[in-house]
Amino acid sequence: EVQLQESGPGLVKPSQSLSLTCSVTGYSITSNYWGWIRKFPGNKMEWMGYISYSGSTSYNPSLKSRISITRDTSKNQFFLQLNSVTTEDTATYYCARTGSSGFAYWGQGTLVTVSS
Amino acid sequence: NIVLTQSPATLSVTPGESVSLSCRASQSISTSIHWYQQKSNESPRLLIKYASQSISGIPSRFSGSGSGTDFTLSINRVESEDFSIYYCQQSYSSLFTFGSGTKLEIK
Repeated sequence: EVQLQESGPGLVKPSQSLSLTCSVTGYSITSNYWGWIRKFPGNKMEWMGYISYSGSTSYNPSLKSRISITRDTSKNQFFLQLNSVTTEDTATYYCARTGSSGFAYWGQGTLVTVSS
Repeated sequence: NIVLTQSPATLSVTPGESVSLSCRASQSISTSIHWYQQKSNESPRLLIKYASQSISGIPSRFSGSGSGTDFTLSINRVESEDFSIYYCQQSYSSLFTFGSGTKLEIK
């Protein structure tokens, strides 16, 4: 069974970087696509980007200058870094197995609050 | 960006009623639409893919229809566990987008 688990700090200061890890079990990240999605207070959902089985990436243009998604295939993990955060980046962050047929597998989500 | 507009924002129903939730795309997206259910404090769950294709393990009372710009998620005889938020999401464009959600609540 495919399982995903996010981890990382729950509180980040404005202007700093947000860094999250997604640990995957039951499936190799060298297959398929793996992405990050966030849900803001008020329920808006935003796709942030993904990293592919080959290591190529695709990002939401609204974030392109601030976002980086990388991976460690030896640990079957992939990572999110979002730079220069503001309070508007406060959200619940999910990792998911991404694809053209929808997001079938999700992590449980982790709330990140941006506050001084 | 492809904008998805969901309506209504909130739908109040009595258990046992059947309901239809709407998702309209800002341009034609063929059948590249997927539906999710999100219960409070849980992750979203994929209900329907490609507008009408069922997902293993999802109750048969959930069904989807539509193509082009207009899509519908139908729930036949709503059960108490169905009260949650429903989102549509498109994969026609490489910039995936979500609708704003429809909250299904108990009347």
